[in-house]
Amino acid sequence: EAGVVQSPRYKIIEKKQPVAFWCNPISGHNTLYWYLQNLGQGPELLIRYENEEAVDDSQLPKDRFSAERLKGVDSTLKIQPAELGDSAVYLCASSLDDVSYNEQFFGPGTRLTVL
Amino acid sequence: AQSVTQLDSHVSVSEGTPVLLRCNYSSSYSPSLFWYVQHPNKGLQLLLKYTSAATLVKGINGFEAEFKKSETSFHLTKPSAHMSDAAEYFCVVTNTGGFKTIFGAGTRLFVKA
Repeated sequence: EAGVVQSPRYKIIEKKQPVAFWCNPISGHNTLYWYLQNLGQGPELLIRYENEEAVDDSQLPKDRFSAERLKGVDSTLKIQPAELGDSAVYLCASSLDDVSYNEQFFGPGTRLTVL
Repeated sequence: AQSVTQLDSHVSVSEGTPVLLRCNYSSSYSPSLFWYVQHPNKGLQLLLKYTSAATLVKGINGFEAEFKKSETSFHLTKPSAHMSDAAEYFCVVTNTGGFKTIFGAGTRLFVKA
């Protein structure tokens, strides 16, 4: 069974440019998460989806970040415009449903470098 | 409110010696607790989880953890370290009320030959 797929794996852009990350969760997983992981730190939740609904986006900086999960499957996270401080790894995860003890399965992440 | 504290940012052990990675948590609700491992350039992988069943939880690769409510701890142990255990380890807490997922800052494990 395929795991969580993310693309691209690496992205280098100049500040003020837009960037988008794509995530394909494990088939049948209703819950999808986007995390931000800074160097040397643990992941921090940006947004959580239940099917196509964003049920927790309280930590998403909405002035420059946006996300969507059309049809409740794939998801895209966008930054526009990117800032130097956005350089980090962006992780996508999925779980079977919205239950706290369900395991989250993580993708390999997208490493973003903003110059 | 909930939080998780990993008490050591780095731990260094010799191959074949025991491993102890410490984690304390706080939660307003009954927590679920997890340990994940992250090898360089690889995704996070679940080692084990506690979900209010047995307090001693066994995971993959010989790791185990004990949930101690009185001490609000969930320390990760392994009797004998292997070189392949060198990685970053994250303690994670979620709760059934409000469903927030909080990661600790991570503990990097070094294993010396």
